[in-house]
Amino acid sequence: KAGVTQTPRYLIKTRGQQVTLSCSPISGHRSVSWYQQTPGQGLQFLFEYFSETQRNKGNFPGRFSGRQFSNSRSEMNVSTLELGDSALYLCASSPEKISDTQYFGPGTRLTVL
Amino acid sequence: AQKITQTQPGMFVQEKEAVTLDCTYDTSDQSYGLFWYKQPSSGEMIFLIYQGSYDEQNATEGRYSLNFQKARKSANLVISASQLGDSAMYFCAMRDARSNDYKLSFGAGTTVTVRA
Repeated sequence: KAGVTQTPRYLIKTRGQQVTLSCSPISGHRSVSWYQQTPGQGLQFLFEYFSETQRNKGNFPGRFSGRQFSNSRSEMNVSTLELGDSALYLCASSPEKISDTQYFGPGTRLTVL
Repeated sequence: AQKITQTQPGMFVQEKEAVTLDCTYDTSDQSYGLFWYKQPSSGEMIFLIYQGSYDEQNATEGRYSLNFQKARKSANLVISASQLGDSAMYFCAMRDARSNDYKLSFGAGTTVTVRA
């Protein structure tokens, strides 16, 4: 089985722009979660989607949004980028149950100048 | 609220030796899952091992084993016969299995450097 894929792998944007990141889960996985990783804050949960519905949301401003499509692929969007949004954005997929292990993709490294 | 503590920012280990990475957690829940992930410099988080709070035996997965002490709320990872490719950041994570909160809460991580 192919693993979780994320595109693009690297992005450079300037302040005020917006960005869309994409995540394709492992085939058959219906849950997709997004995490932000920074040196200062570590790994922080952004949101989780299941069957096109957001089930959980972390403590991030409304500039961070996401969605999931019927094929379980997910996108996250960050509007009005700030310097502090520079981070590694990781996507993880799991089958369905809360006890299921989350498998991560390679991440998208976003740099905001 | 869940909290994961990894007290060792960095560790050095000699090739072929074993290393133990500490992880303690704080939760009032009775049902939860504990995970360890490895993150090489490439950035991808690689799942290593899982322990459920009701599992009676310590989890093992190849060279990885989890020393689970529920009363002490600790879930230490043991890597046996270290290899150069084990050099990476290691994260302990926990998820409450009963609530509808699917997020993983991560510790700050431990950097392991394996010396030849």
